[in-house]
Amino acid sequence: GAVVSQHPSRVICKSGTSVKIECRSLDFQATTMFWYRQFPKQSLMLMATSNEGSKATYEQGVEKDKFLINHASLTLSTLTVTSAHPEDSSFYICSARDARGQTQYFGPGTRLLVL
Amino acid sequence: QQQVKQSPQSLIVQKGGIPIINCAYENTAFDYFPWYQQFPGKGPALLIAIRPDVSEKKEGRFTISFNKSAKQFSLHIMDSQPGDSATYFCAARGWSSGSRLTFGEGTQLTVNP
Repeated sequence: GAVVSQHPSRVICKSGTSVKIECRSLDFQATTMFWYRQFPKQSLMLMATSNEGSKATYEQGVEKDKFLINHASLTLSTLTVTSAHPEDSSFYICSARDARGQTQYFGPGTRLLVL
Repeated sequence: QQQVKQSPQSLIVQKGGIPIINCAYENTAFDYFPWYQQFPGKGPALLIAIRPDVSEKKEGRFTISFNKSAKQFSLHIMDSQPGDSATYFCAARGWSSGSRLTFGEGTQLTVNP
């Protein structure tokens, strides 16, 4: 099946710093990518949807100036958590959908811990 | 309208048992219903998906039953194994939701040896 990778798998940073998470579709072109965050024992919460070459669409309540999303190519999207704070600590998961729009594949997730 | 309700929250079965996880939706515009399996610390993996024009779909030990009139669908795991212990999420998608997946709350399944 299609593979989506994320890097890094886990990151620890100090409060106030910025962290970039990369999401790549390895064997297909992803016209649409999604970013989710997940707190322990909870469901996935969609943060934003991005289409290649255009601005991301953020869900209500998600600060677009804090969570910068770039979808520069059909195989790469990045999420930058700017000026991270301890409350941003979470599991961030990206997802990609192929051009046919049928199936949505998820990455392995990135564990972010802000001290 | 956009919610997907999933039950039970947690489920414990013995090896060989048939756990059943149920989901209900409200939005009749949903036309794609996938199930995802997630192990701790990992991203969700697609298990099986169904469209509303069929009432059942089977892939290996996993079966989706779909009841369009009741707006419900369920996941059955035949001959469950300890390795099936994970969290399972149902989801739904339709063009009216901007093609975004709406997830259920998740079911934590434990299969005892």
